[in-house]
Amino acid sequence: GESVGLHLPTLSVQEGDNSIINCAYSNSASDYFIWYKQESGKGPQFIIDIRSNMDKRQGQRVTVLLNKTVKHLSLQIAATQPGDSAVYFCAEVDSWGKLQFGAGTQVVVTP
Amino acid sequence: KAGVTQTPRYLIKTRGQQVTLSCSPISGHRSVSWYQQTPGQGLQFLFEYFSETQRNKGNFPGRFSGRQFSNSRSEMNVSTLELGDSALYLCASSLGDSPYGYTFGSGTRLTVV
Repeated sequence: GESVGLHLPTLSVQEGDNSIINCAYSNSASDYFIWYKQESGKGPQFIIDIRSNMDKRQGQRVTVLLNKTVKHLSLQIAATQPGDSAVYFCAEVDSWGKLQFGAGTQVVVTP
Repeated sequence: KAGVTQTPRYLIKTRGQQVTLSCSPISGHRSVSWYQQTPGQGLQFLFEYFSETQRNKGNFPGRFSGRQFSNSRSEMNVSTLELGDSALYLCASSLGDSPYGYTFGSGTRLTVV
């Protein structure tokens, strides 16, 4: 995953625009990846997942892209809305079946 | 169906004390995992219980322990609290097939003073 620090990277997006959140993962043997959304005062909420035998998966307004060559994941949110403001985490499932989380990205949607 | 329930939502403890946090998983879920979330370290895995047995363990000192009951409810205990233990403690439950279908609770916010 990404290196962690005291301050989360922030993505500021205008309402209606598309958002792209990036994540680098660490283990080339990981075969399952998940994106979570965490709103203030709540636990992480599942958004979408993807297995390593796929390079793209679409959900409602969200798309996850997986590039195994460079160990990179991205989450695309179409037509970003104020309710999309949150911290977004990518997570990889390691060989022991545990989730390893990235540091997270704060998404701020501006009117 | 009811989600993952964590109690209490907030706790304030004094350094040196011990604390027990509770997690009730979704009905039918047999796996419960615990995570610590802090601004500095992010989300870190503590341990996972499945059918009353610890199945996985993260890199935390022995002061952090847990258990799971026959009804799949889980508790985690932290003894000899330190200031650095202040964090949001999250539990997640699943049917047991690793993190597939993980559902997180809202967490317990522990403050150590």
